[in-house]
Amino acid sequence: SQKIEQNSEALNIQEGKTATLTCNYTNYSPAYLQWYRQDPGRGPVFLLLIRENEKEKRKERLKVTFDTTLKQSLFHITASQPADSATYLCALDMGYGQNFVFGPGTRLSVLP
Amino acid sequence: DTEVTQTPKHLVMGMTNKKSLKCEQHMGHRAMYWYKQKAKKPPELMFVYSYEKLSINESVPSRFSPECPNSSLLNLHLHALQPEDSALYLCASSQTRLRDSLWNEQFFGPGTRLTVL
Repeated sequence: SQKIEQNSEALNIQEGKTATLTCNYTNYSPAYLQWYRQDPGRGPVFLLLIRENEKEKRKERLKVTFDTTLKQSLFHITASQPADSATYLCALDMGYGQNFVFGPGTRLSVLP
Repeated sequence: DTEVTQTPKHLVMGMTNKKSLKCEQHMGHRAMYWYKQKAKKPPELMFVYSYEKLSINESVPSRFSPECPNSSLLNLHLHALQPEDSALYLCASSQTRLRDSLWNEQFFGPGTRLTVL
């Protein structure tokens, strides 16, 4: 069966450290993998998109990698801040006419 | 304008009521989505409209009926809902749904919190 896993339901790290979140999937062939941030009671906010033929993308303090052989994406937040505390969702996009599926999310808490 | 708006913010309805959720965007996006999100769970895709045509229906019960009157508007008509349908309903839009497009990021609205009594 098709499955998406994110490394843990909750992750606590100290301010200033790098947070690393993992997204693993089985039996999907996504055209893209996207990462979103969701704060309580609000809609998700897009962060980064990486295509199946790309290895790495960066945006300011954010970095995402995509390994289609391992069926895994890693999402890094460097120099983390308490304001980075939120739930982070990976999402697999199979493209036009196909499914778009969110992973279960990781709730990140950055402690001052 | 980079905003997706949803109305109402909150809705309480009985199992025999008929109500509608509305979503609007003025970014020129040609793909619009409805998601359902239960507490502490990720959003689940319900419907996708691409160029005002329904392109995905994720086996959603017929008591949920989507409508896309034009490229800026998306409605979700609700009828004879069950208490387990209580959830946050999210609307989103993206520029396109093309496989090779660079513009597949989705913009989400704030959601409608639905309670079915």
